[in-house]
Parts: sequence; C-alpha cells; structure tokens
Amino acid sequence: EIVLTQSPGTLSLSPGERATLSCRASQSVSSSYLAWYQQKPGQAPRLLIYGASSRATGIPDRFSGSGSGTDFTLTISRLEPEDFAVYYCQQYVSFGQGTRLEIK
Amino acid sequence: QLQLQESGSGLVKPSQTLSLTCAVSGGSISSGGYSWSWIRQPPGKGLEWIGYIYHSGSTYYNPSLKSRVTISVDRSKNQFSLKLSSVTAADTAVYYCARGSYGDYGAYYFDYWGQGTLVTVSS
Repeated sequence: EIVLTQSPGTLSLSPGERATLSCRASQSVSSSYLAWYQQKPGQAPRLLIYGASSRATGIPDRFSGSGSGTDFTLTISRLEPEDFAVYYCQQYVSFGQGTRLEIK
Repeated sequence: QLQLQESGSGLVKPSQTLSLTCAVSGGSISSGGYSWSWIRQPPGKGLEWIGYIYHSGSTYYNPSLKSRVTISVDRSKNQFSLKLSSVTAADTAVYYCARGSYGDYGAYYFDYWGQGTLVTVSS
C-alpha cells in the first residue's frame, strides 16, 4: 500500500502570494496516477489536477501540478480569497492527509 | 452534466448495518470506462476510500474494510449502493459517492462527487 504524506499540515499565506503544497509517496508512483483536490467546508472535494499536471475542466490556470517518482507539488501562483481551503493529493485509491491553506 | 446524489439512513445503531444509495443522473452508470466509488470522511479528518464497482458488477474493496463492505449496482435504476455491517462509532462520517475516471497513461481520478451524507453511529 502506498502512503501519501502531505506537507505542510497548515500553510498560512496572504491573497496574492504563491502557495506550494507538497505530496510525497512512500514509493515511486506513476505520475499518471497523481491527482489533487480542493475541499471547502461543507462541500465535496473538487478535482483540480489529474495525471500530476493536467488541469480539470474549468480549473483556473493559476493552479498547476508537477512532479514525478515520489515527489509531487501543487502550486497556486497567485492566491485568490476563494483558494483558502483544504487540499488533498490522491494516488489511485489512497489519499494524503491534507494541507490546510489558511489566510494569514 | 453528471450528478450523483446519496441517500439513506443518517443514524445507525452500533452493530447494525449502514445502507446508502447513490443515484446517478445525467449519464448512464452502464457506460464503460468508469468505476463507481464510495469514499468517507470522519468529522474533521481526511478522506478514506471504501470501495468501487464497475457497471459489470465487479468490485474492489479497501482491505481494511473488506470483511464488512458490500457494494452493488442496480443498472435499471441507474444507482449503486453501499452496505457496511457491524458498524461502530468509528464509522461515523460523511459518506460520498464518486465516479472514478481513467485518463491517458493510466490516470485515475474522481471527477464527479455527490454532496455527501452524514451518517452517525449511535445508540
């Protein structure tokens, strides 16, 4: 079983800043299997990125994904107020524990 | 636009069986190339995949829950269902149904989700 570890647990930033979220796998995984989700309070997760770097339909281009092997990154280039949420990475049927992005 | 909607009992007694249904609209559950999953989220915690089913009826369950989980599909009603037996307080969670899609080079991701339903296990 592959374990996904996300860091940091909480990230405090201001609107307009750049956010970098990390997802590390316990063993090398195909980048095709890596996806990222955004979840706001009381809502279901929303798919942002699949195949490590492909944006899902309707996702703004300030969201980008990268990485390979065991290390993957979600970058939000310039934070908007609506981006403050919890972010999860996923590989096949395993999820990371999440990173909470909060307003500083 | 595909939509998924969970329904079922919101309160289940310990040791009993949790039963939920996910109604799919805007698309056919019999369409090939997708899996239909249940995923749960305990209050304040992360996401845990429970299992999925294909339109053919083939299933794959989380090994940690396998002995208690049954997922079935009703193609005539365009819905799939979850049964989780012998529940305890640890099974209290928001339960989501979701569609798993397969992309290029083996990509796998959950692109459509229901809004979730809270199930509380309590006497």
